[in-house]
Amino acid sequence: AQSVTQLGSHVSVSEGALVLLRCNYSSSVPPYLFWYVQYPNQGLQLLLKYTSAATLVKGINGFEAEFKKSETSFHLTKPSAHMSDAAEYFCAVSEGSNDYKLSFGAGTTVTVRA
Amino acid sequence: DAGVIQSPRHEVTEMGQEVTLRCKPISGHNSLFWYRQTMMRGLELLIYFNNNVPIDDSGMPEDRFSAKMPNASFSTLKIQPSEPRDSAVYFCASSLTTISYNEQFFGPGTRLTVL
Repeated sequence: AQSVTQLGSHVSVSEGALVLLRCNYSSSVPPYLFWYVQYPNQGLQLLLKYTSAATLVKGINGFEAEFKKSETSFHLTKPSAHMSDAAEYFCAVSEGSNDYKLSFGAGTTVTVRA
Repeated sequence: DAGVIQSPRHEVTEMGQEVTLRCKPISGHNSLFWYRQTMMRGLELLIYFNNNVPIDDSGMPEDRFSAKMPNASFSTLKIQPSEPRDSAVYFCASSLTTISYNEQFFGPGTRLTVL
């Protein structure tokens, strides 16, 4: 069975600073990995996904993530934080293309300081 | 292009009452998911439908919870009787499941408060 660990339940960054959200996964088969963002009082929106193609994945709003098999990690980064990036971010894993189940991490709340 | 539609957006009810949450998936999608989100337990998958058939309901917490999908464009999640510990945000998501990949699209959620 797959699982996800997000390190840090809360991250605070200054506007313009690097955003780094950490995600480690466990999976018995090559995984599919996702980052979702949830703005207040809204549903989850897909930021980016890794599906066994390029290990560096670019998503919306300037975010990107790198799949590192040796480290079982899929950390999310953005070079320069914007106030609009304040939200909760979820890492999720599924066991390949035929697995409908997404296992979500506990989430990381990002606040951006002016 | 409409996304996943959920109603109501907010529901406040008293313990013991029946609650029905509704979901309209994205047209053309063949998979539907109901999730529950709480501070204590995070996001939990309650039930998964594929082509209107329940495939996995192992996440449904108790017999008080039931879900139906009478057609490809509508699903309900019912709680009867409701209890205060059912207070949570309930999300519906849909996807087009293919052999290569499926991406889940989430609705805005229903915030349920059981007093």
